[in-house]
Amino acid sequence: GIQVEQSPPDLILQEGANSTLRCNFSDSVNNLQWFHQNPWGQLINLFYIPSGTKQNGRLSATTVATERYSLLYISSSQTTDSGVYFCAVDILTGGGNKLTFGTGTQLKVEL
Amino acid sequence: ETGVTQSPTHLIKTRGQQVTLRCSSQSGHNTVSWYQQALGQGPQFIFQYYREEENGRGNFPPRFSGLQFPNYSSELNVNALELDDSALYLCASSSGTGPQETQYFGPGTRLLVL
Repeated sequence: GIQVEQSPPDLILQEGANSTLRCNFSDSVNNLQWFHQNPWGQLINLFYIPSGTKQNGRLSATTVATERYSLLYISSSQTTDSGVYFCAVDILTGGGNKLTFGTGTQLKVEL
Repeated sequence: ETGVTQSPTHLIKTRGQQVTLRCSSQSGHNTVSWYQQALGQGPQFIFQYYREEENGRGNFPPRFSGLQFPNYSSELNVNALELDDSALYLCASSSGTGPQETQYFGPGTRLLVL
């Protein structure tokens, strides 16, 4: 099956710093999403971004589908950004929004 | 909040028992997907229900089963529980199965098998 690798696995930032999270995937996809899981386990969808660039406030994401990677940018980080960030993909054929998740990046933002 | 609810929030069972987890989808959503998240890992796709029919299954044994009701709520049943079934079980609802359909996740059920 498709492989999804995320880096770095862990990240500690000071509040106000910027960061870039990376997601590499091993096959063509028709669906790539970024999620944030808070410390209580709630998963929130951040972006649906199979290609191109999107921005939402302090967060932005870019997917280069031909090179099979996606980047999530967090600017001016806040303590509420702490948690685990996952990218998830769905294969190009026979998908149906059945997501394969990466192993995540654990982010901790400190004061 | 996403409008997706799950019950119970926590559950403790012993090996060999059976368990039923429930998920109420967001209003207007006809698709429910279930995921298992072991500690320290990303969620793994179990199966998906679309308009009361199973619409795809991940790499899970038949003792994991489910159904979807006419109101589009859903149940996940696990028979013959094993220690490795201990995990956070997440359901997600969406208004269709297309890749552009945002999946809204519930808060999860934490299952501990002793």
